[in-house]
Amino acid sequence: DTGVSQDPRHKITKRGQNVTFRCDPISEHNRLYWYRQTLGQGPEFLTYFQNEAQLEKSRLLSDRFSAERPKGSFSTLEIQRTEQGDSAMYLCASSPQGISSDTQYFGPGTRLTVL
Amino acid sequence: DQQVKQNSPSLSVQEGRISILNCDYTNSMFDYFLWYKKYPAEGPTFLISISSIKDKNEDGRFTVFLNKSAKHLSLHIVPSQPGDSAVYFCAARGLTGNQFYFGTGTSLTVIP
Repeated sequence: DTGVSQDPRHKITKRGQNVTFRCDPISEHNRLYWYRQTLGQGPEFLTYFQNEAQLEKSRLLSDRFSAERPKGSFSTLEIQRTEQGDSAMYLCASSPQGISSDTQYFGPGTRLTVL
Repeated sequence: DQQVKQNSPSLSVQEGRISILNCDYTNSMFDYFLWYKKYPAEGPTFLISISSIKDKNEDGRFTVFLNKSAKHLSLHIVPSQPGDSAVYFCAARGLTGNQFYFGTGTSLTVIP
């Protein structure tokens, strides 16, 4: 059991640049979530995939954010034209289908710093 | 609009005593609640959950209580151990079943 992995663990970028993060969920988990966490706050839901289908997005999600899960396995989260307010920890989580579907397994996160 | 609130940012407890972490929510339609534990530099780890049809769920040293009328849940850890020192988040499942709302967390320190 390798758990959920995220890459990179840290990213420093300049304002206006684009960044992309990758998440590899636990194999055979068909549900995948992205969250954002800022200092002193809990994880904030961004988007949800079931297999390759993006079924839900937070209404707070800016159109500069886009996520994909092309083959229902790994997922990417891209932020275009980054702003300082995008600085946060970006967490990915996955869960299986069925009775344990609400138990999410989180990765270690990608910490983004926008200068 | 914070729909799940943890009003105590921190809590210190002596080893062996009971730790009680509290959580309040505003949306009466939430039907499933979870507690996660988070160590530094790691993602949150699932701890225990409860459905809205129950008022108590127990797993070893951890018990979650749900008071729907008060829109309040609590996590009891007894006896507390130093390894329990972490940040604890409560979360609620939203109406679609796909979106989860997290509280701001309570940092628990168990003093040996």
